[in-house]
Amino acid sequence: SQKIEQNSEALNIQEGKTATLTCNYTNYSPAYLQWYRQDPGRGPVFLLLIRENEKEKRKERLKVTFDTTLKQSLFHITASQPADSATYLCALDPTGGYNKLIFGAGTRLAVHP
Amino acid sequence: EADIYQTPRYLVIGTGKKITLECSQTMGHDKMYWYQQDPGMELHLIHYSYGVNSTEKGDLSSESTVSRIRTEHFPLTLESARPSHTSQYLCASSASTSGRVIGEQFFGPGTRLTVL
Repeated sequence: SQKIEQNSEALNIQEGKTATLTCNYTNYSPAYLQWYRQDPGRGPVFLLLIRENEKEKRKERLKVTFDTTLKQSLFHITASQPADSATYLCALDPTGGYNKLIFGAGTRLAVHP
Repeated sequence: EADIYQTPRYLVIGTGKKITLECSQTMGHDKMYWYQQDPGMELHLIHYSYGVNSTEKGDLSSESTVSRIRTEHFPLTLESARPSHTSQYLCASSASTSGRVIGEQFFGPGTRLTVL
C-alpha cells in the first residue's frame, strides 16, 4: 500500500545543534514533496517544497534534500533553537499536480537549552 | 499569517445533533480542503473542492458533507454527530496559479470536536 513514514519517536537535541528529520515513502513517484511545521492545537504551516528534479532546497536555517531513487527526503534545521520545537510533517501529492496531499504522521522535535 | 478562519475552535456536543463547521478564506484561492486529524496521527483528506460547485470526497471515508457555493466559504456538516466523529478538523486552501508556491496549502487553526 502507499505509505509515508516518519520517525514516530521524538527527536531531542541540544540548542545550536543540527536536527535531521527523515521522510521515507513507498509506491509513489511524486513530482514534489513538502514539509510543514505543526504546533500543538494549531494547523500546519508550510515551510518548504522541493521538486523531483531538485536535489536540495534551502531557506534560512532550513535545508531539504530529495532522493527519488531512495524515495527519501531529509529535513535539516541548523543552529537549532528552542523555538524550533514542534512537530514536522512531510507531505506529497500522488496525483501529479492536483494537490491532494498525503501526510506523514510527523516527527516531534524538542530543542533543549 | 494565513487568512483562513475556522469556527468554532472547540465544540462539545451530544450524540445525534447536527453540526456545521465553518471555514472561510480571504485569499481568493480556488482549491479548498478538509482534513481530519487524531492526536499524534496523520492528517487525512476527507473532502476537497477545486472551485465553486465542485466538491469531491477524499481518501478517508467520512459521513460528513460539504458545500462550495462561494469561493471563500467551505462549510462541513455532520447531520447526526456520533462519538466516532470526535477529532480535530482542519480546513486548508491553495492557489492554482503562480505568484505563490504551487502546492503550498494554507491551514486554518482547526476545530476540535468532541461528541459525547
